[in-house]
Amino acid sequence: DQQVKQNSPSLSVQEGRISILNCDYTNSMFDYFLWYKKYPAEGPTFLISISSIKDKNEDGRFTVFLNKSAKHLSLHIVPSQPGDSAVYFCAASFASGTYKYIFGTGTRLKVLA
Amino acid sequence: DAGITQSPRHKVTETGTPVTLRCHQTENHRYMYWYRQDPGHGLRLIHYSYGVKDTDKGEVSDGYSVSRSKTEDFLLTLESATSSQTSVYFCAISDPGLANYEQYFGPGTRLTVT
Repeated sequence: DQQVKQNSPSLSVQEGRISILNCDYTNSMFDYFLWYKKYPAEGPTFLISISSIKDKNEDGRFTVFLNKSAKHLSLHIVPSQPGDSAVYFCAASFASGTYKYIFGTGTRLKVLA
Repeated sequence: DAGITQSPRHKVTETGTPVTLRCHQTENHRYMYWYRQDPGHGLRLIHYSYGVKDTDKGEVSDGYSVSRSKTEDFLLTLESATSSQTSVYFCAISDPGLANYEQYFGPGTRLTVT
């Protein structure tokens, strides 16, 4: 039973355009969400987070949107750059103090030059 | 970058042999985790530790044990390796002092069980 789902295994976007990566979750008790980026042969690196008390968080070219009623979050990358080509994971936690996360299966983003 | 190292980085072993993977951190973070990454499954938590000698199971703990005798070291042991444990293993650390509750990951260990 996958509690955190990333239904698009891959996505291709032209350089300079917007990349939108989606993540759905099933448990309404999740209250903190993270996005990670992973390059081949490296560990995942933290990108951006959002608490359930917010619906948007921005950090430079990266914005995460949270729609609690739909149990859906998305990561927007604007503008997309070739260096953004990587696998992106979303992760959810029941309570921020537990520091335990459930990860989605990942979406491979390819930014075409 | 967080100071996390994993050893070995690559290992090939035979079915039935015990294997121990080591995670070492220099950040003095309280929490440490072991994940495995497999195609179609993303990252799945094997075991985690919330302090020295304090550990708990994750979602895929069968066939694995862990130990944490020092803050900086978290060991993952495959008691009798099976081919289904062929995977990439990641260690991660976290701490209550981090503003985003994020986890920092090590570079991974690629394990092949033949």
